[in-house]
Amino acid sequence: QKEVEQDPGPLSVPEGAIVSLNCTYSNSAFQYFMWYRQYSRKGPELLMYTYSSGNKEDGRFTAQVDKSSKYISLFIRDSQPSDSATYLCAMNRDDKIIFGKGTRLHILP
Amino acid sequence: DTAVSQTPKYLVTQMGNDKSIKCEQNLGHDTMYWYKQDSKKFLKIMFSYNNKELIINETVPNRFSPKSPDKAHLNLHINSLELGDSAVYFCASSPTLGDNEQFFGPGTRLTVL
Repeated sequence: QKEVEQDPGPLSVPEGAIVSLNCTYSNSAFQYFMWYRQYSRKGPELLMYTYSSGNKEDGRFTAQVDKSSKYISLFIRDSQPSDSATYLCAMNRDDKIIFGKGTRLHILP
Repeated sequence: DTAVSQTPKYLVTQMGNDKSIKCEQNLGHDTMYWYKQDSKKFLKIMFSYNNKELIINETVPNRFSPKSPDKAHLNLHINSLELGDSAVYFCASSPTLGDNEQFFGPGTRLTVL
C-alpha cells in the first residue's frame, strides 16, 4: 500500500460548482498536510497546509483533515476555469514531503 | 526576478550519454531538492541538500550525482542515460530543511531516445 493515495482523475465539473478533492494516507507519522497546485508545464506551488484535524479556509479554498480516518480533502467553492490544474496532496515526515499522484481537474466554462 | 531557475528547459539525448541539469535559487534558502516527475505525474523526491550538505538520497541509482557548489546552486549530473530516465526533473528550495512550502523551478523535460 502506498503511503499516500490519490485518485488521478481527470475530474471535469462545470464552472461555479463545488469541487471536492481527496487523499488517504497510511502513515500516522505524517504531521503536516498540504495541497499543491500544478498548472500544465509548470512546477507545483503550495496552496495551503494544515497541521491538526479540522478545517482551514483560505478564500474559495477549504482544507479538511481527519486524522482518525487518515483522510484529507480540499474543497473549492465557486470553481473558475482558472482553477483547472493538477492538485497534489502532500504530507510531511522526517523532513521529507511525500506527494500523492495528483488529481487533474478541468473546470468547464 | 526572485525564483528558482533551471537550465535547460528541454533535453533530448541518446541512451548512454551523460548530461547535466543546473539549478539556481536567489531566494536565500538553505535547502534545495531534486524531484522526478514521471509520465503519470507522480512526483518523487530524489535528493535534498541543506547548506551544501547531502541530507536525503532516496535510493536513486549511482548514475545520478548531485553537486552543490554553494547554497544557491544544486546541479544534477546523470551518467549513462537510460530510457527510464525520461521524465520531468524539478528543482526546488525551501528556507530550511523540512519546511512545508517548497518553491519549485519550471522543470527540465528530459527525453532519452
